[in-house]
Order: sequence, then structure tokens, then C-alpha cells
Amino acid sequence: EVQLLESGGGLVQPGGSLGLSCAASGFTFSVYALSWVRQAPGKGLEWVSSITASGGRTYYTDSVKGRFTISRDNSKNTLYLQMNSLRAEDTAVYFCAKVQRVEAYFDYWGQGTLVTVSS
Amino acid sequence: EIVMTQSPVTMSVSPGERATLSCRASESVSSNLAWYQQKPGQAPRLLIFAASTRATGIPSRFSGSGSGTEFTLTINSLQSEDFAVYYCQQYNNWPRGTFGQGTKVEIK
Repeated sequence: EVQLLESGGGLVQPGGSLGLSCAASGFTFSVYALSWVRQAPGKGLEWVSSITASGGRTYYTDSVKGRFTISRDNSKNTLYLQMNSLRAEDTAVYFCAKVQRVEAYFDYWGQGTLVTVSS
Repeated sequence: EIVMTQSPVTMSVSPGERATLSCRASESVSSNLAWYQQKPGQAPRLLIFAASTRATGIPSRFSGSGSGTEFTLTINSLQSEDFAVYYCQQYNNWPRGTFGQGTKVEIK
């Protein structure tokens, strides 16, 4: 059974930093791309960042470019998102999602972790 | 960026009735479209991929159609567990997959 378990969310002040983790199990972690998708309170889904299976290529939505860093450790089956210079508009539930290998939709999602940026 | 527009934003449907949800892309995404269901406090769940293929374990009352810029999700004979928010997502220009704003299906 595929499982994705996020952790690391919490309350942080504007300008602060936070690191999220996503522990994966139930599939061969190293052959799948992964992504972070967020959902602001009461709002829709927004793609944030993706990383290829090897970790060799990373992608970001424009609003987080230069502030967020996605990475992965294939030996630990874990995905990360380091978030710096956080803003109020980054407040959201952050989901990690597994990318289907051929067609690139999200076939499995974690339960999400809430990040609140507020003073 | 490809913009996905869903309609209606909210729809009220009685149990047992059919719901038809629409999703329009600002440019062609071929058949690279997925539908997700999200219930309050839960993660999204994949329903449909490649515009019309049901994901594993999804009941046959869910069906998808369309290609290019116009897509439809149909839910036949709505069950109580189907009342939720539904999102379409294009993945034609991965990784920059964009979502629609969602359609909330509520009980009439």
C-alpha cells in the first residue's frame, strides 16, 4: 500500500523558515517523480514544486522560486521542502504527491501538513 | 500558464440524481486531464486520468469525457459519499500542472 506521510508543519513568523518532510512507503521511491501541492484555507489546489526521480531536476511555481527548495533522499525514501522567507500568503496545507510515471498526474497524496505564517 | 476553469462553482443535487461537472482549458491539453475528489479535511483522491480512464477502485458511476479544451465529469446516481469538491487538473505541460478552482457538489 502506497503511503505518504508529511511532517514539519507549524506556526512561523513572516520572514522565517520551515522544513517539511514526506516519508514514503509501499512503492519503489527512487523511480518516481514527486511534487508538493498546497491548499490555502478555503481555497483550491496549487502546484508548488516537483523533483525528478533522481533528484537531478527541480521545478517551482514562480511565487516560491528562490525561497523554497525541494530535495529528496532516495536512500531514506523521503521528500523534503525547505521554505525560507515565508510570507502570509504561504499559509496553506502542504501535500506531497506521487507523480504517475508515464502520464504525470498525481496518483497518490499524503494527508497534508499545515503551515501557518503569522506574527 | 494554462488556465483551467470549472463550472459551476457549486451545484446542488439530490441523492440518486446525476451530476455533470465541466472543465475548460485555456489551450489544448490533449487528453492529459485528471479529476480528483476532495472531502473536508482529507487529501484529494484521484478519480479519472487521461480524461476518461477511471483510477483503481473508482466506482463505475464516475465517468469522464472530452479532449482538447473541453472536459466533463459525470457522476451517475449520486451516493451520500459523493458529496465533495471536485477538481480538474491538466498535466499536459508537466510539471506545471494547473488545477481548476473546483466544483462543490452539495446535497439538495
